[in-house]
Amino acid sequence: DVKVTQSSRYLVKRTGEKVFLECVQDMDHENMFWYRQDPGLGLRLIYFSYDVKMKEKGDIPEGYSVSREKKERFSLILESASTNQTSMYLCASSYGSYSYEQYFGPGTRLTVT
Amino acid sequence: QQQVKQSPQSLIVQKGGISIINCAYENTAFDYFPWYQQFPGKGPALLIAIRPDVSEKKEGRFTISFNKSAKQFSLHIMDSQPGDSATYFCAALGGYQKVTFGTGTKLQVIP
Repeated sequence: DVKVTQSSRYLVKRTGEKVFLECVQDMDHENMFWYRQDPGLGLRLIYFSYDVKMKEKGDIPEGYSVSREKKERFSLILESASTNQTSMYLCASSYGSYSYEQYFGPGTRLTVT
Repeated sequence: QQQVKQSPQSLIVQKGGISIINCAYENTAFDYFPWYQQFPGKGPALLIAIRPDVSEKKEGRFTISFNKSAKQFSLHIMDSQPGDSATYFCAALGGYQKVTFGTGTKLQVIP
């Protein structure tokens, strides 16, 4: 079974803090994704990566950056957290150059106060 | 800009009834249409998917109907069960690995 793990289930940070969300997948997938999930807005893509050290902006990249130094690990970075970044963050991975099947982690509920 | 529109936002169905969730898209470059199911506390998981050259796909109690000319597709859950209570997302794949998700439908099946 594919397993995608996220470093924290719940996280509380203060405004202005630098926040790191870590994601690890164990199936040698090329592609990894970061989404945020908000009620009524669904899943919105923040960034994705199709190879080590490669990254592409998604639909809402502002205020976020990412890092992928190893194939299995994809990090989401909030340089200076703000209250409007309070959300559920979901990491996903997929195999191949054209795949609609993404495997999701359980999510990190981030609260910025 | 919401490229995949989903309705309703929430749905309550009695056990044994049919649950219907509708989606519409704008981008004709989309060429796979998956549905994801998410239980509380879990990430979404792929449920079923359809290509636009197929009008219907059935897997067990779950059926996708696809209308290419209307740019609409829907999920039907037959004989809905309390265990089907979850949030359902329609989605579309187009342009590299990018999947665009709908806004989600929270389904509650009551006994």
